[in-house]
Amino acid sequence: GAGVSQSPSNKVTEKGKDVELRCDPISGHTALYWYRQRLGQGLEFLIYFQGNSAPDKSGLPSDRFSAERTGESVSTLTIQRTQQEDSAVYLCASSLPRWTTTWGQETQYFGPGTRLLVL
Amino acid sequence: RKEVEQDPGPFNVPEGATVAFNCTYSNSASQSFFWYRQDCRKEPKLLMSVYSSGNEDGRFTAQLNRASQYISLLIRDSKLSDSATYLCVVRSGYSTLTFGKGTMLLVSP
Repeated sequence: GAGVSQSPSNKVTEKGKDVELRCDPISGHTALYWYRQRLGQGLEFLIYFQGNSAPDKSGLPSDRFSAERTGESVSTLTIQRTQQEDSAVYLCASSLPRWTTTWGQETQYFGPGTRLLVL
Repeated sequence: RKEVEQDPGPFNVPEGATVAFNCTYSNSASQSFFWYRQDCRKEPKLLMSVYSSGNEDGRFTAQLNRASQYISLLIRDSKLSDSATYLCVVRSGYSTLTFGKGTMLLVSP
């Protein structure tokens, strides 16, 4: 079946512009995560959605970053007034509901990422 | 101290070698542990979960030492296709995973 998809795959923008990144999770996956990976660095958690619960926004680095998710489907990550330090690969992942697997062992499936370059 | 620390790498080994990766985590309340693999310019993919008793999957063996807050991954009889970055991943809270920076492995003929 289809995996996690993300669009665009690459985005080049000018400093100060807003960008919107999209993630389509695997069908039936109620959990959705956004991560950021700067060049040569590990993944940084940004935000987590689980069904209709309030999202965990604890990883968002500033108020320029926001994300939305409609029900259990598509999510968009918006970065306002982009800065050069926002340049990174933005990865989305989804997983099955916790109650379908051994607690804490649910696998996260990653999309291919969006490579963002802010000039 | 960083939440998840890994050997800096890269590790350069010949085909057939045995290689071990180490990882330490700072949060003693961490509950779940994983190794992910990330190929160059690709997304991470789950390699294996790490269970308290240790677990093996073919040429790969993962160990967990909760007292020392230490995780390891052993790869035996390494193949060219094992070349990748190996990410140590820890779940401490209800929702989030914390990723190490990864250790790059280069297997040469």
